[in-house]
Amino acid sequence: TQLLEQSPQFLSIQEGENLTVYCNSSSVFSSLQWYRQEPGEGPVLLVTVVTGGEVKKLKRLTFQFGDARKDSSLHITAAQPGDTGLYLCAGAPGGFKTIFGAGTRLFVKA
Amino acid sequence: DAGITQSPRYKITETGRQVTLMCHQTWSHSYMFWYRQDLGHGLRLIYYSAAADITDKGEVPDGYVVSRSKTENFPLTLESATRSQTSVYFCASSESLGGLAGSYNEQFFGPGTRLTVL
Repeated sequence: TQLLEQSPQFLSIQEGENLTVYCNSSSVFSSLQWYRQEPGEGPVLLVTVVTGGEVKKLKRLTFQFGDARKDSSLHITAAQPGDTGLYLCAGAPGGFKTIFGAGTRLFVKA
Repeated sequence: DAGITQSPRYKITETGRQVTLMCHQTWSHSYMFWYRQDLGHGLRLIYYSAAADITDKGEVPDGYVVSRSKTENFPLTLESATRSQTSVYFCASSESLGGLAGSYNEQFFGPGTRLTVL
């Protein structure tokens, strides 16, 4: 069974702190997506990483795809309460049969 | 309104009843997906569709039926609801992106349907 393992499962930090969440697999993915989900809503796409070693920035969020395309990380600089949510990584190891990690639940305290 | 909608947003039913969850998208995306989200399991793919009249099983298809007679609609039916099907159900749509490096999809999700089976 191909899995995407996310860590940590839960993170509670103070406003202004930096944090990194991880998405790991034993399988190679042609791409990985990161989504954020807020309570009572569907996930919203943040970014797709496609090339091994690729780094993408979205304001204070930095996404990296591992060189071997088996893992990815999301780094948030100077977290704000508005960053609170469930962060999900996703990928399709073959075709479009997408799998999701269980998510990292982030809580940023003001 | 443009986007992806799901109905109903909330549903309570009884064990053994048939329930249909509706999903409608206005982007004419080729791909559509149904997921269920449960604590401890994250999002799990139930069924997906690459085009009208083309559907395929996901990770947890048992007890569910889908159809896709029109590109914009992708209903999910629970033929005989069980308590284990109590969950939040999300529909999503996407197009195929990418090229030589490999195709991928960026999914747009509906707001979800919270289903309770008593």
